[in-house]
Amino acid sequence: GESVGLHLPTLSVQEGDNSIINCAYSNSASDYFIWYKQESGKGPQFIIDIRSNMDKRQGQRVTVLLNKTVKHLSLQIAATQPGDSAVYFCAPGNSGNTPLVFGKGTRLSVIA
Amino acid sequence: DAGVIQSPRHEVTEMGQEVTLRCKPISGHNSLFWYRQTMMRGLELLIYFNNNVPIDDSGMPEDRFSAKMPNASFSTLKIQPSEPRDSAVYFCASRGTYNEQFFGPGTRLTVL
Repeated sequence: GESVGLHLPTLSVQEGDNSIINCAYSNSASDYFIWYKQESGKGPQFIIDIRSNMDKRQGQRVTVLLNKTVKHLSLQIAATQPGDSAVYFCAPGNSGNTPLVFGKGTRLSVIA
Repeated sequence: DAGVIQSPRHEVTEMGQEVTLRCKPISGHNSLFWYRQTMMRGLELLIYFNNNVPIDDSGMPEDRFSAKMPNASFSTLKIQPSEPRDSAVYFCASRGTYNEQFFGPGTRLTVL
């Protein structure tokens, strides 16, 4: 089955700095990847996704990089703010109505 | 749209009691997922439905767990009898034609 690993379970960054959250995956057949943000007491919320035929995608203050060769993706958050404090999950997926598989997540703490 | 609706938000019960968690997916979504989240095991998929039909229940921990989806707008997850190790946050998510899964706010279950 799919396994999703995270390089760092916790990450602390200074407010205003950039954050990089890494994720490794095992299923080379994954054809899209979604990043979710989960704040305390809430369900995971969609941040950004990237298809496997792309290596970079940018959103508002966030950038996803995908390296299929080493099965690794990262989420970069620019100018990290206190509101970015949360647990972040990467979830590889396959087209065809199959569920997303989640790793344990990375907790991002922003130091004011 | 109100998003995915779950009830109750919090449930405290005693060991041996029956617990029923409820979910209303986003209107028009044809896939529904039940996840359980704990500190130790992260976000685990329990079961998912496509077009109200259970597709994969291999994540259901034991026969004490059962899930139904009688129609496109309602699903239940039942635990009978409940045990203290069932304490967790249970999330329901739904998905339409695109890849993103939308999560509800979760039900925090405590079994004493």
